[in-house]
Amino acid sequence: NAGVTQTPKFRVLKTGQSMTLLCAQDMNHEYMYWYRQDPGMGLRLIHYSVGEGTTAKGKVPDGYNVSRLKKQNFLLGLESAAPSQTSVYFCASLRWPQASEAFFGQGTRLTVV
Amino acid sequence: GQSLEQPSEVTAVEGAIVQINCTYQTSGFYGLSWYQQHDGGAPTFLSYNALDGLEETGRFSSFLSRSDSYGYLLLQELQMKDSASYFCAVTSGGGADGLTFGKGTHLIIQP
Repeated sequence: NAGVTQTPKFRVLKTGQSMTLLCAQDMNHEYMYWYRQDPGMGLRLIHYSVGEGTTAKGKVPDGYNVSRLKKQNFLLGLESAAPSQTSVYFCASLRWPQASEAFFGQGTRLTVV
Repeated sequence: GQSLEQPSEVTAVEGAIVQINCTYQTSGFYGLSWYQQHDGGAPTFLSYNALDGLEETGRFSSFLSRSDSYGYLLLQELQMKDSASYFCAVTSGGGADGLTFGKGTHLIIQP
């Protein structure tokens, strides 16, 4: 049972380049989330999904897009990377909001130069 | 929207007991959970409270008061490996964010 898997683990981008982060879960969870973590800021929600084919904005969505074409996958896209998007990105999944435990991927450390 | 407040840093001595408090504001509240994160790692689940009262899991306990919008995490018999950041989080429904985290408490354990 792999749980939640994020790819890639590390990436360096040049300003203006694009990339996609992939989150895959094998637990048949409905809810999936993308967070960014910066020093002293905790985990800030970028976008989330409450089921296949649905997405919604979180607290810091600007500069990011997401898609959930399949229930097990949640993709985070950066169309034109900026240095302000240098961060550690975490994906998480939750069976439903009443569930007790969220499962996290191992994180993606992204640097934009 | 949702918001959570917790202390940014707490220092304690090995073998002692420490309490990390969390207050929250949210609508459609389902429960309060706690996560541990070591430097360079991912958050891992510790405890969850949906109802008022104390939940105990080994050396860790978590408390919730829904009427006060308040909870805490209690760590007993502190070990050096407990040095980490601890996050409280609320799960909520009704079209809200779903899973919102506080900024985290950095726990420093001194020998």
